[in-house]
Amino acid sequence: DTGVSQDPRHKITKRGQNVTFRCDPISEHNRLYWYRQTLGQGPEFLTYFQNEAQLEKSRLLSDRFSAERPKGSFSTLEIQRTEQGDSAMYLCASSGLQGNYGYTFGSGTRLTVV
Amino acid sequence: AQRVTQPEKLLSVFKGAPVELKCNYSYSGSPELFWYVQYSRQRLQLLLRHISRESIKGFTADLNKGETSFHLKKPFAQEEDSAMYYCALSRNTGGFKTIFGAGTRLFVKA
Repeated sequence: DTGVSQDPRHKITKRGQNVTFRCDPISEHNRLYWYRQTLGQGPEFLTYFQNEAQLEKSRLLSDRFSAERPKGSFSTLEIQRTEQGDSAMYLCASSGLQGNYGYTFGSGTRLTVV
Repeated sequence: AQRVTQPEKLLSVFKGAPVELKCNYSYSGSPELFWYVQYSRQRLQLLLRHISRESIKGFTADLNKGETSFHLKKPFAQEEDSAMYYCALSRNTGGFKTIFGAGTRLFVKA
């Protein structure tokens, strides 16, 4: 297990296109989180899963954003009809079910909308 | 509402000098506080948790509930400590959702 993996590392897309990102968490981790980070800011919470259930979504997450974790393993984050304001680093993290020991982060997917 | 404030965007110190990265929080419940670090071209990683009262790479942080602070300290800064540091607050229930501060860039000069 090499930690949390995210794919792709970089994505450049034209405004109005749809994009999908993938996250593979640490295999023993039941919880998976998506964050967005823009320049000069800390990571902002988007949503999280416990196993396959999406238990919380941020109000930042517009209707154009959807996330899934179909079998409780990897997760996908899709952005439909991308806008320039969606340009950011999208981070995935995972954590175990027992206790609050902090997150393990992936390297992130940098999205540029042109 | 949960909030984490890191008042300094940039902190520059000389090698061997003490360093203190400030963090203040607001939370109505009983929070768990963390420091995360991001070195150049590396992923964000956990540095330490308040609950474990540990010292990692010479860094310590004490939770002061009266002042709602969780400042990160190191008595003698090293050049390899240069990085981006994020203070984070996690609720104790419901999935351990975590709120991050905006971060402080620490630059340790030779």
